[in-house]
Formats: sequence, structure tokens, C-alpha cells
Amino acid sequence: DTGVSQNPRHKITKRGQNVTFRCDPISEHNRLYWYRQTLGQGPEFLTYFQNEAQLEKSRLLSDRFSAERPKGSFSTLEIQRTEQGDSAMYLCASSPFGGDSNEKLFFGSGTQLSVL
Amino acid sequence: AQTVTQSQPEMSVQEAETVTLSCTYDTSENNYYLFWYKQPPSRQMILVIRQEAYKQQNATENRFSVNFQKAAKSFSLKISDSQLGDTAMYFCAFMDAGNMLTFGGGTRLMVKP
Repeated sequence: DTGVSQNPRHKITKRGQNVTFRCDPISEHNRLYWYRQTLGQGPEFLTYFQNEAQLEKSRLLSDRFSAERPKGSFSTLEIQRTEQGDSAMYLCASSPFGGDSNEKLFFGSGTQLSVL
Repeated sequence: AQTVTQSQPEMSVQEAETVTLSCTYDTSENNYYLFWYKQPPSRQMILVIRQEAYKQQNATENRFSVNFQKAAKSFSLKISDSQLGDTAMYFCAFMDAGNMLTFGGGTRLMVKP
């Protein structure tokens, strides 16, 4: 098990373009989270899945953002019509469900998005 | 909504010395979890230590320990025998019963040789 994997590591795009990021959680982890982090700030929650169900969405997640986890394994985060304010590090995390371990989130290395 | 506040934007410590990072939080819940995460320049978030609110005993992980004061809603991190590899951003985080993790603004720690 290599931990939470995110692709791509870096993405540069022009304003108005669509981008999609992928997250592969740790095997057997039921919960998957997306966070956004701007430079010098703490990560901000975007959304979270338990298996394939999207259980919570932040107000930060505008209608240009959509996340899916179709088979309860990997997840994708799509941003449509990107804006310069979308430039940030997008972090994915996963956690197991049950026992006393479900409160521990394991993070990926993130996808750094730059919107020009 | 829960809030997490880290009042020290930056701190420095000499190698082998001890440093304490502060964190306060605000919640109306009684059952929750508190965490310290480390984020080195690689930006990988690494779990340092975890504390359950229902446990009175402070958590310890090797050189890392916490001072959890539930009534004061305070959760400080003490790093003993600081090492150069401890240089990183440190984030305090709060998790409620819904497993939502809320982070503070972070403290940049520099360990000097």
C-alpha cells in the first residue's frame, strides 16, 4: 500500500478551462475527503464521501465544482470554467470506517493548480 | 461551527531544545478529536499526534506531547529535543462527531542548528 495517491501533482491551465483531478485512497478506506489549501493558510474542507455517497459539501464548493466517487474507490474533482481564485493546492485524504481508526485522516501529496 | 485558532504564525527553536505551539478552539460539542498535523516543504500532511476529548490523559508520541485543557479549550503541542527535520508548518485540527476536520491557520516552525 503506497498511501493516498493524487494526480497530477501540478496543473497549469488558462482561465475558463476545465480541469479534473484524481485521488486514489488507501485500499479499504471507506471515507474520502477533498480539501483546498491556499498558500500560508490551513486546508479548507470541500466535500466528503463515504463509499460512493457524497455526504457533505462545503459552501466553498460552488456549482463550478463537482466531485464523484462512482465505485467507492477513486474519486475525481472537476472544476469548470476555472478562475484565478481557484489557484490552490487541492488535497485528498482518506480514512477507514469503524473502530478507533476512523478519526485518522491520511493525506495525499496534493495537486497544485495554477490558473493563468 | 467550530473554529481553530493558532496565534503564533512563526516560531523558531534551537536544535535539541524544547518548543511549545499553541492552539485554541471553539465548540459546543462534548465529544470530539484534536490533532496536530505537520506539513514539510513537500506539502504532504503528516499526522503527528491525536487526542480524544473524553480522555483526560494527554497524548504522547515519542518526542511529541500535548497539553489538553478541555475546559479552557486549549490544545498545545510540545516538541522535545527538536531536530532539524521538525522544520515545517504545523496545523492544529478539530474533528467533530460528523468526522469533519477543521484546521487552524498554522504555525511555521524553524529549527536552527
